[in-house]
Amino acid sequence: RKEVEQDPGPFNVPEGATVAFNCTYSNSASQSFFWYRQDCRKEPKLLMSVYSSGNEDGRFTAQLNRASQYISLLIRDSKLSDSATYLCVAYNAGNMLTFGGGTRLMVKP
Amino acid sequence: DAGVTQSPTHLIKTRGQQVTLRCSPKSGHDTVSWYQQALGQGPQFIFQYYEEEERQRGNFPDRFSGHQFPNYSSELNVNALLLGDSALYLCASSGPGNTEAFFGQGTRLTVV
Repeated sequence: RKEVEQDPGPFNVPEGATVAFNCTYSNSASQSFFWYRQDCRKEPKLLMSVYSSGNEDGRFTAQLNRASQYISLLIRDSKLSDSATYLCVAYNAGNMLTFGGGTRLMVKP
Repeated sequence: DAGVTQSPTHLIKTRGQQVTLRCSPKSGHDTVSWYQQALGQGPQFIFQYYEEEERQRGNFPDRFSGHQFPNYSSELNVNALLLGDSALYLCASSGPGNTEAFFGQGTRLTVV
């Protein structure tokens, strides 16, 4: 079993739709969590950190449930430019990032 | 301020050869981590360098080795290349006490 698991998708949604991605992690000692965005053939870029209290950045909302070891990302009012792969990431003691396999989002006109 | 820079951007090597990839961290960052990303998968942690020493290592064979220099730049060396080593190799840097990692654009290695 992978330490961080995501549905690979693809999620095909129309512009303006709301889409949610989920992620589970198996290492209960993981300290911090992030969502990264990766465009085709580009490097991953930090989208947002994830906190138990939930955090929102414009159209993006991230949530962490430590009891269920579950992380979510909600994107409202999807734009064409949101099309990318979204990577769920756990930061562990030992200073390493463990990535999920990524969820591919395609937003269509 | 230049971000994380990697060289070369693309590379083609033959099975059995050796390769060296280079990374310069973002200004002010002292920790460099290397990741391998196969097509269609998430990045996999190879190892991390801090204060010129390997601090943490992922599940990669000894064919993968590295180095960090006094100016914090780093190299990744892969010996006896296999076809399966074909991937995007990403370097990430982070600063003192900061968990946020910034990635370079990667080196795309193709082994033929």
